[in-house]
Amino acid sequence: DAKTTQPNSMESNEEEPVHLPCNHSTISGTDYIHWYRQLPSQGPEYVIHGLTSNVNNRMASLAIAEDRKSSTLILHRATLRDAAVYYCILTLRIQGAQKLVFGQGTRLTINP
Amino acid sequence: DAGITQSPRHKVTETGTPVTLRCHQTENHRYMYWYRQDPGHGLRLIHYSYGVKDTDKGEVSDGYSVSRSKTEDFLLTLESATSSQTSVYFCAISESGRRQVYEQYFGPGTRLTVT
Repeated sequence: DAKTTQPNSMESNEEEPVHLPCNHSTISGTDYIHWYRQLPSQGPEYVIHGLTSNVNNRMASLAIAEDRKSSTLILHRATLRDAAVYYCILTLRIQGAQKLVFGQGTRLTINP
Repeated sequence: DAGITQSPRHKVTETGTPVTLRCHQTENHRYMYWYRQDPGHGLRLIHYSYGVKDTDKGEVSDGYSVSRSKTEDFLLTLESATSSQTSVYFCAISESGRRQVYEQYFGPGTRLTVT
């Protein structure tokens, strides 16, 4: 399975933008890039996904490098509720199921 | 929020005893997954199901079995619990269809302690 590399931790201030990087240099042409986050004492929560083009949704934006070897999750205006562990994942489809391989993720701290 | 419940939410059991965890969904989603999460680690896939009675192994399936006799229920069984199976267990579901990718929705987790 292709691997992802993320910083162990990042810190930002409330109401400021946050850019969370992810390297995936061994990505294959059919791998989708997913981001999930996990708030304390909860199950993971889907954030966003993309294949080649940049993507936006109500939670975040995903910027994907032209060579697809890296991507950046952008939280446009962080709130205290965004403090969580963020996982960058490459997904592999097996019989239609999507196998998520979680790494260690980035622990994001938001300062008030 | 997706309708996923897990039971029990907390369990303490002794080494060597059988344990069954239940995941129940009200979304009629085709795919269901069991993960475990240990301190300082991300989630690891144990087993998954792609339909009633259709299951397959994930990356850490040794010591675990699963069953899915109805769309809404996915059971994870530890035949003889060991201390290394002390963990938080998460169930997830996802749809199927024409799209290439569907997000997974996770349950609240079951904290299992094997003494």
